[in-house]
Amino acid sequence: DIQMTQSPSSLSASVGDRVTITCRASQSIRNYLNWYQQKPGKAPKLLIYAASSLQSGVPSRFSGSGSGTDFTLTISSLQPEDFATYYCQQSYNARAFGQGTRVEIK
Amino acid sequence: QVQLVQSGAEVKKPGASVKVSCKASGYTFTSYDINWVRQATGRGLEWMGWMNPNSGDTGYVQNFQGRVTMTRDTSIRTAYMELSSLTSEDTAVYYCARSGFGSGSSSDYWGQGTLVTVSS
Repeated sequence: DIQMTQSPSSLSASVGDRVTITCRASQSIRNYLNWYQQKPGKAPKLLIYAASSLQSGVPSRFSGSGSGTDFTLTISSLQPEDFATYYCQQSYNARAFGQGTRVEIK
Repeated sequence: QVQLVQSGAEVKKPGASVKVSCKASGYTFTSYDINWVRQATGRGLEWMGWMNPNSGDTGYVQNFQGRVTMTRDTSIRTAYMELSSLTSEDTAVYYCARSGFGSGSSSDYWGQGTLVTVSS
């Protein structure tokens, strides 16, 4: 099974900050990596698919990069509505999520 | 518009089974996989498996093998996830989500979630 490891598990940031979350796969998954945002009590929302493609309707301050085993999600200028938990997911072999990164207000 | 609407909250006793439904609308039901994901309170997302509504083919995470069954009724565009031999560890919100077929796809639409509580 492919294991996904996110870091950090949580971070505190201020509005306007640049935020980077990393995700590492236990083996190469090419670019089969998705990012989701989840707010309390809500279903996850797809942000990025295929490592770097922005889902329709998602603000351009979100971006993704990487291939193989190492991936990043970047929020270029954190907005109040971005405080949430972020999950990576591999879709190379079955599916698996990272453990999540909680982005909190500093 | 695409919608996945799930059945309501359930309370079950240990050892019982639960069957959660996921009704699709706004797209061709048989053109996308249905995935099931669960989330215990305060915990992360756990992918349980997938079903191809066209063929009925399924794939389950090993942890749930033998306990989970994913089915569908194409006439009413509804997918089902049944989990048996419930324990308190199965208390969670269960989500259905559609995705494209096969590797490399992502889940662009999700149901609202169904809370399953297992308690004696």
